[in-house]
Amino acid sequence: DGGITQSPKYLFRKEGQNVTLSCEQNLNHDAMYWYRQDPGQGLRLIYYSQIVNDFQKGDIAEGYSVSREKKESFPLTVTSAQKNPTAFYLCASSIQGTATGELFFGEGSRLTVL
Amino acid sequence: GENVEQHPSTLSVQEGDSAVIKCTYSDSASNYFPWYKQELGKGPQLIIDIRSNVGEKKDQRIAVTLNKTAKHFSLHITETQPEDSAVYFCAATLSGGYQKVTFGIGTKLQVIP
Repeated sequence: DGGITQSPKYLFRKEGQNVTLSCEQNLNHDAMYWYRQDPGQGLRLIYYSQIVNDFQKGDIAEGYSVSREKKESFPLTVTSAQKNPTAFYLCASSIQGTATGELFFGEGSRLTVL
Repeated sequence: GENVEQHPSTLSVQEGDSAVIKCTYSDSASNYFPWYKQELGKGPQLIIDIRSNVGEKKDQRIAVTLNKTAKHFSLHITETQPEDSAVYFCAATLSGGYQKVTFGIGTKLQVIP
């Protein structure tokens, strides 16, 4: 089945540790995105990538880093610089790097900082 | 930048009744308005969208209306069923290259059997 796979589904981290969330898609989509979801705040864009080896900051990029070495993969690293990392993280993709098209989301990764 | 307000934040309806979720946007240049449904523990999924050259769009029990002058759009679900229970997000965006999708805060809909 084609889709987006995020892992792990649940992740616990101690303060001061970096963690990397995996996102893989087999939809052959050019564009990929990372969103953060917090209660009462909707979905906020962290980073997006329209093409391999290129990515752009979203609204809340501070404390996060990404890479796009392969078309199908867009991992997100939550660094120790992120002051409030506990959240639900969603990866998405779209056919082209345009916002006027359907976003396909993964099932999310829930990060909890202990 | 674009700002999308969505209300209500929670909505409870009896099974079979209609549900309406309303959104307003700030940037008159926005021209694409998708609605996403997020079931518990899953990622959002597109259920319907509308472009600015259309005033209304229907797909079975769901419909979306757009009022460009007032800059608001609404999701209507008729004959609600328990499986409609979910969080619904509206969004707005500009066309042309990559323009950021701005989401509303979400509406948690509960359909009571």
